[in-house]
Amino acid sequence: KNEVEQSPQNLTAQEGEFITINCSYSVGISALHWLQQHPGGGIVSLFMLSSGKKKHGRLIATINIQEKHSSLHITASHPRDSAVYICAVPEGGNNDMRFGAGTRLTVKP
Amino acid sequence: EAQVTQNPRYLITVTGKKLTVTCSQNMNHEYMSWYRQDPGLGLRQIYYSMNVEVTDKGDVPEGYKVSRKEKRNFPLILESPSPNQTSLYFCASSIQGSAGNTIYFGEGSWLTVV
Repeated sequence: KNEVEQSPQNLTAQEGEFITINCSYSVGISALHWLQQHPGGGIVSLFMLSSGKKKHGRLIATINIQEKHSSLHITASHPRDSAVYICAVPEGGNNDMRFGAGTRLTVKP
Repeated sequence: EAQVTQNPRYLITVTGKKLTVTCSQNMNHEYMSWYRQDPGLGLRQIYYSMNVEVTDKGDVPEGYKVSRKEKRNFPLILESPSPNQTSLYFCASSIQGSAGNTIYFGEGSWLTVV
């Protein structure tokens, strides 16, 4: 069983829709990362969070440590948000990273 | 500009011919790491380094070597590449480990072994 599960695997939305991507993990963690991989392959870090909620522009990330669950929300989605979104956790406080399989988001105009 | 630089970005090589993928960061980060990304398997960690002369195996270290002689550089060495090492490789760094710090990724290196 993968230690980091993401859902959905693929998501197609119309421009302007509210998007939610979920991540569940089974290992104990001190922080969780949300990453964005552009169609060209490059990866950027969106959020690193260990509790509560973080917001950056139209992106919001939340985490519930007790339930071992995190969500990434995109408000007023735009075609430029089309990318693969990946959650990642360092296993047990170490630096051996575990990644979700990614969610491929396509936002249509 | 803060960045992680990998070279080469694209490489086609033959089985058994040693190659090195270089990685350099200009942010004075202590932590550096290598990952490979394969369709259906996602990102997997190969090796990581907490500081100079300190390296540890990740999930899939077989067939790879690394060294950390200087803080800024963390090369990935394939002593005898095989076709199953055809993949997209990413180098990354952060201030002090990935547990609680933002990770910065290189642009990726597409490696094909024939």
